[in-house]
Amino acid sequence: AQSVAQPEDQVNVAEGNPLTVKCTYSVSGNPYLFWYVQYPNRGLQFLLKYITGDNLVKGSYGFEAEFNKSQTSFHLKKPSALVSDSALYFCAVRDWDGGYQKVTFGTGTKLQVIP
Amino acid sequence: EADIYQTPRYLVIGTGKKITLECSQTMGHDKMYWYQQDPGMELHLIHYSYGVNSTEKGDLSSESTVSRIRTEHFPLTLESARPSHTSQYLCASSGDSVYAEAFFGQGTRLTVV
Repeated sequence: AQSVAQPEDQVNVAEGNPLTVKCTYSVSGNPYLFWYVQYPNRGLQFLLKYITGDNLVKGSYGFEAEFNKSQTSFHLKKPSALVSDSALYFCAVRDWDGGYQKVTFGTGTKLQVIP
Repeated sequence: EADIYQTPRYLVIGTGKKITLECSQTMGHDKMYWYQQDPGMELHLIHYSYGVNSTEKGDLSSESTVSRIRTEHFPLTLESARPSHTSQYLCASSGDSVYAEAFFGQGTRLTVV
């Protein structure tokens, strides 16, 4: 069975500093990994995904994520945080489960960027 | 903005009432999903559909039911609302590929009093 872990409930970072939101995964086959962001009172928005190829994936709003197969991690990063980046971030993995595609979300990490 | 819509955005309703949360998408996606989101943020899959006349229960047991009579429409119904149903409900759809990302509606925040 596939699983995703986001070990930090909340991450605080000062504006202008680099940020990292952590995610580790477990799948039986190839990992198809996603990051989503949720602003208050909104649905989730897709940020980026890893399918295959380069381990560094670039996405929307200046975010990127680094895939590390040996550590089974897919951490979300941004070189310089903005106050407007404050939101909930969800990591997800999509895989086959008994003949059906299944998406599993992590528990979410609240990012707080401090002015 | 994604072409997936949920109505209503907010709903306050009394215990015992029947309610239907609407979800529609214009992207022609076969796969659609309903998630329930805790106040603390975690998402729980309660229903999914892989196409017309296909519906399955998700990981979290729910007293709600769904139907998929048309590709674009995936409504969720509660026959008798209870305070324990108070939550945020998110609808999503995705393309067929295992690589495809999901598109989410803006959610319905349901309060049962």
